[in-house]
Amino acid sequence: NAGVMQNPRHLVRRRGQEARLRCSPMKGHSHVYWYRQLPEEGLKFMVYLQKENIIDESGMPKERFSAEFPKEGPSILRIQQVVRGDSAAYFCASSPGAPQETQYFGPGTRLLVL
Amino acid sequence: QKEVEQNSGPLSVPEGAIASLNCTYSDRVSQSFFWYRQYSGKSPELIMSIYSNGDKEDGRFTAQLNKASQYVSLLIRDSQPSDSATYLCAVNPQAAGNKLTFGGGTRVLVKP
Repeated sequence: NAGVMQNPRHLVRRRGQEARLRCSPMKGHSHVYWYRQLPEEGLKFMVYLQKENIIDESGMPKERFSAEFPKEGPSILRIQQVVRGDSAAYFCASSPGAPQETQYFGPGTRLLVL
Repeated sequence: QKEVEQNSGPLSVPEGAIASLNCTYSDRVSQSFFWYRQYSGKSPELIMSIYSNGDKEDGRFTAQLNKASQYVSLLIRDSQPSDSATYLCAVNPQAAGNKLTFGGGTRVLVKP
């Protein structure tokens, strides 16, 4: 199955810990997007990356959140010093490369902060 | 005004009937439009993309786009209980790069 892969699927952290979410795009896709879905809310764009480049991070909170997509390996969304308000489903999507192309979503990581 | 608006529902539809979902968007330069289906606790699953004014059909689904009215809709024919889900309208404004702006979703409930 060459779909978008995310791990872990569920992640529990205590307040103040770090959360690392990983995303491997579909085979042949070079563009990765991260979205967050807070409980009972809609999907919100966070960041758009290509290999070794952040293209658009206009949806990222100013502090504690960072993302990367290295030359080798998966894209990482990192949340430092997590707070309860970070509890949400984090979805990664990928697209082949051209603008306007369809984005395909991974299964998501459900983050719970205790 | 929200960038992408949908009626939250629930839209209750008898099995076999047509479900009609609507979406309006505020950014006139938007170029591409998508409908995703999301089951509870699952990730969004692409149903349809549409880029040009008019209708686009795929199986039991028809998307309709009217850029002049800034309106996109989704029809589900012969609705089945398995169609019960939240349907998300997403817009990709060309001027804003390649990020999707989602509506809040319309919950559809198909009753046997």
